[in-house]
Amino acid sequence: GQQVMQIPQYQHVQEGEDFTTYCNSSTTLSNIQWYKQRPGGHPVFLIQLVKSGEVKKQKRLTFQFGEAKKNSSLHITATQTTDVGTYFCEGAGGTSYGKLTFGQGTILTVHP
Amino acid sequence: NAGVTQTPKFQVLKTGQSMTLQCAQDMNHEYMSWYRQDPGMGLRLIHYSVGAGITDQGEVPNGYNVSRSTTEDFPLRLLSAAPSQTSVYFCASSYLAGRAYEQYFGPGTRLTVT
Repeated sequence: GQQVMQIPQYQHVQEGEDFTTYCNSSTTLSNIQWYKQRPGGHPVFLIQLVKSGEVKKQKRLTFQFGEAKKNSSLHITATQTTDVGTYFCEGAGGTSYGKLTFGQGTILTVHP
Repeated sequence: NAGVTQTPKFQVLKTGQSMTLQCAQDMNHEYMSWYRQDPGMGLRLIHYSVGAGITDQGEVPNGYNVSRSTTEDFPLRLLSAAPSQTSVYFCASSYLAGRAYEQYFGPGTRLTVT
C-alpha cells in the first residue's frame, strides 16, 4: 500500500533558525496536506497542495510539492517559540478513494 | 458550529470490555475518518467513510467496527478491548472535492486498556 515517509523525526532549533521537514511517498499523490499539532492538542490543517511543482507561502512558512508529486517539504524561516509542535504531511493518491496516509510527523522544539 | 465533537475525552477499560467512541460533526461533511495516535507512529487510519451508508477499512482496522447511518455521526466500536488498543483516538471530517481533503479534527479520546 501507499507509504509516506517523513524526516526528520525530531528537530531542535534555536529561536531564529530555519527549519525544514520533508515527506516522500512511495506512490504518486493526487494532493498533499500539511497539519500542525501542538503538544496535547489535535492536528490542525495548514495547507493543501495539488499541482505539480506548486509552492505556497503562509507568512514564514513555505510549502512545496515536487514535480513528480511524490515529495513535499515545509520550510519555516526564523522559527519562533510559537512554532513548537509536530508537523504532519498527509497524502491522498492511488486507487483507494478516501484512504489517506499520514507521515510519522516531525517534532519541532524551539529553544528561546 | 461545534465542529467535530468526540466523547468521552478519557476512558479506562479492562481487557475484554467493549465500548463505543462517539464522533459527531455539524458541518455536513461527506468524509469522516478515525485515527489512532501512538508515540513515534504518527496518525494511523482505522476506518473511513465517504458518505452515509459507506465505510471502508484503513491501515489498522482489526478490533474495530464502524457504521455511518447519518451524515453527522461516525461511531467507533471496540469489540473486545486489548492493551494494544491503548492510544489517543481522533475523529476527523472534511468535504469531498474530488480527492482534495481539508480535515477538521476532534479533540481526541484518550483510551487506556488495563
